Amino acid sequence: DVKVTQSSRYLVKRTGEKVFLECVQDMDHENMFWYRQDPGLGLRLIYFSYDVKMKEKGDIPEGYSVSREKKERFSLILESASTNQTSMYLCASSENTEAFFGQGTRLTVV
Amino acid sequence: RKEVEQDPGPFNVPEGATVAFNCTYSNSASQSFFWYRQDCRKEPKLLMSVYSSGNEDGRFTAQLNRASQYISLLIRDSKLSDSATYLCVVNPMEYGNKLVFGAGTILRVKS
Repeated sequence: DVKVTQSSRYLVKRTGEKVFLECVQDMDHENMFWYRQDPGLGLRLIYFSYDVKMKEKGDIPEGYSVSREKKERFSLILESASTNQTSMYLCASSENTEAFFGQGTRLTVV
Repeated sequence: RKEVEQDPGPFNVPEGATVAFNCTYSNSASQSFFWYRQDCRKEPKLLMSVYSSGNEDGRFTAQLNRASQYISLLIRDSKLSDSATYLCVVNPMEYGNKLVFGAGTILRVKS
């Protein structure tokens, strides 16, 4: 059974903190994605990666960076967390068509 | 203009009803189209791909209209368990397999 695992279901961080969200997939997929989901806005793509050490900006990359040192792991980094980054963060991986999602991380920045 | 647009709903329908959702996309070069389903507090999961010739999976039918740049999802004989948010997804083919999601359409099926 395919699996995408995000390190935390819920996180509470303070403004200005550096935050790491980790995502691991066990399907040997080339492509991995980070989305955030907000009410009324749907899923918005932050960054994606189509190979190890490769990354592309999505639609809303500002305030975020990513790291993909190994194929199975894709990390999202909030360099200095702000309250407008409070959201649900979803990681996904895909090979050709279907994307498989992790269970999501609900991040609250206070 | 958003890349993928959907009517957010909610669509409130009785059990057994037929309901249809439309979704429009802006990039005419898009090649791949999908419908995902997301249950409350869960991650999205693939419902079905959308092929040029249209395709059916049980009570669900998906269609693509390239000329008008929209895709549709038809659900027949709605069940209570169909209540969810339905996400329209497009691969604009700019970078490999990037997927662009619509904001979703909420369906509530009531007894």
